[in-house]
Amino acid sequence: NAGVTQTPKFRILKIGQSMTLQCTQDMNHNYMYWYRQDPGMGLKLIYYSVGAGITDKGEVPNGYNVSRSTTEDFPLRLELAAPSQTSVYFCASKGGFDNEQFFGPGTRLTVL
Amino acid sequence: AQKVTQAQTEISVVEKEDVTLDCVYETRDTTYYLFWYKQPPSGELVFLIRRNSFDEQNEISGRYSWNFQKSTSSFNFTITASQVVDSAVYFCALSESPGQNFVFGPGTRLSVLP
Repeated sequence: NAGVTQTPKFRILKIGQSMTLQCTQDMNHNYMYWYRQDPGMGLKLIYYSVGAGITDKGEVPNGYNVSRSTTEDFPLRLELAAPSQTSVYFCASKGGFDNEQFFGPGTRLTVL
Repeated sequence: AQKVTQAQTEISVVEKEDVTLDCVYETRDTTYYLFWYKQPPSGELVFLIRRNSFDEQNEISGRYSWNFQKSTSSFNFTITASQVVDSAVYFCALSESPGQNFVFGPGTRLSVLP
């Protein structure tokens, strides 16, 4: 199993550009999450999903959108990128409600 | 509302010293889950341990041990005989039943000096 994979690893965007961060897991997990980690800080939840077709907002959803059309994929869309969205983005998944989360390697995004 | 506090922002120890990382949580649920993750300088997040609210037994895994006390809402993590490779940021996290949401503490940066 590859676990949780994220692409790209690094990206530089200009203000106002859009992009999609890809996240795929091959563990047949129902739960998937997107977090952002600002420099020297903890993780903040952006969006999460409890299964295909179901998504919900986390603590910091503004400026982002998600979709969950399949169990495996949970892309995060940034519209109109802003410097405040410069961060490392982590995708995670877990199998059951009481399980630990498995994290992807992260995407480092810089908005200039 | 759920909350996790890690009051120690940074800790420095000399190799072979023991070190305890504190975690205090808040929750209204009687069923919840606590976790510790390690984030080494390479940036990935590594799962260390999971504990549910009904299991207050302490756990030891090699040089790592965890002390869960519901009476004080704490889930502390001790590294015995620390090593340079233990240098990382350590996060405590809480998940309430039915557990679709994790709340992470701010993390404690541990530096183990040779």
